[in-house]
Amino acid sequence: AQSVTQLDSQVPVFEEAPVELRCNYSSSVSVYLFWYVQYPNQGLQLLLKYLSGSTLVESINGFEAEFNKSQTSFHLRKPSVHISDTAEYFCAVSTGTGNQFYFGTGTSLTVIP
Amino acid sequence: DTAVSQTPKYLVTQMGNDKSIKCEQNLGHDTMYWYKQDSKKFLKIMFSYNNKELIINETVPNRFSPKSPDKAHLNLHINSLELGDSAVYFCASSKRTGGIAEAFFGQGTRLTVV
Repeated sequence: AQSVTQLDSQVPVFEEAPVELRCNYSSSVSVYLFWYVQYPNQGLQLLLKYLSGSTLVESINGFEAEFNKSQTSFHLRKPSVHISDTAEYFCAVSTGTGNQFYFGTGTSLTVIP
Repeated sequence: DTAVSQTPKYLVTQMGNDKSIKCEQNLGHDTMYWYKQDSKKFLKIMFSYNNKELIINETVPNRFSPKSPDKAHLNLHINSLELGDSAVYFCASSKRTGGIAEAFFGQGTRLTVV
């Protein structure tokens, strides 16, 4: 079975500071990894994904994540956060044989002016 | 054009009632899901359908019954609603044949049982 661990439930950070949201997974098979963002009272939106190829993936709004197979991690980073980045962030994993996406418990990112 | 749409967005109802939530996707995906998000934001899979066939049925009370009339629709019917059913329910879809792709989520249905 797959599981996803997001170690930090809440991360406060000052505007323009860097941030890292941690995600670790456990799986005995090849995985596909995702980060989703949820703004208040909205659905989940895909932020970025790793399916294959380069282990460093980027989003259009400055976030990046690196797939580290040896450490079974897919941490999300941004060098300089903005107020509008305040949201809930979910890491998710799926496998080629499964039929669902396993989600972590989420990290609430609060950007402080 | 909304990719995954759910109706209604808000649902307030009394204990014991029966209610339905509808979901439609216009992405041509072959797999649809229902997730429940509790007050702590935890997302838990309830059901997964692939080409109208039930694939995953997690430990969900049998008061919850999904129905997939075609690949583009997955509705959720809930009988005898209880206070503990209050949550946000998300419908999602993805394409799984030919490789894995991300899931697209609806805006959610906030169910409040009083």
